[in-house]
Amino acid sequence: QVQLVQSGAEVRKPGASVKVSCKASGYTFTSYDINWVRQATGQGLEWMGWMNPNSGNTGYAQKFQGRVTMTRDTSVSTAYMELSSLRSDDTAVYYCARGRGSRSFDYWGQGTLVTVSS
Amino acid sequence: IQMTQSPSSVSASVGDTVTIHCRANQTINYALNWYQQRPREAPKLLVYAATTLQRGVPSRFSGDGSGTVFTLIISSLQPEDFATYYCQQTFGPPPYTFGQGTKVDI
Repeated sequence: QVQLVQSGAEVRKPGASVKVSCKASGYTFTSYDINWVRQATGQGLEWMGWMNPNSGNTGYAQKFQGRVTMTRDTSVSTAYMELSSLRSDDTAVYYCARGRGSRSFDYWGQGTLVTVSS
Repeated sequence: IQMTQSPSSVSASVGDTVTIHCRANQTINYALNWYQQRPREAPKLLVYAATTLQRGVPSRFSGDGSGTVFTLIISSLQPEDFATYYCQQTFGPPPYTFGQGTKVDI
């Protein structure tokens, strides 16, 4: 069965960086895009960007341009999202989600809580 | 592209029919998805391409609309349907924006 398993919760100080992983199983990793979506506590969903695991091509929301980097390691079917220059308002649950050709997100990781606090 | 959902919350009872609206500020054809999110869970895809039910989703959920106006209808509300629902547009190049969510509670 398709699964996306994310790395565990992280705590960072303002100005630091965090790298979240998303390990895919149950399907061919390079055949579907990986998207990243975040959700601050009590807030809605915010799309951050996408990556094509086959080509490595990426696209980021303008809000995160220059601060986010999405990469992958196809040998272990894992996608990564690194966010730098962290601020307190980056405290959120970060999700990876598989994107289909219909551009719908059909499988999601369990979420990774990133807390930014001094 | 901005997505606006209404209402922001709705109170309902088991067995009720609930309608959630989503409006885009420009045409997005049929590029509209609906997700359900229960507390402390990841979102779950319910409907894609405006009207197509995701495999395994109960038939009491249905989606309608095209262009700029869309609806999600939940018929005969069940206890497990009390959750927050989000629309998402995926028209053209990214960003793929979400609506602000509609909370369905008892």
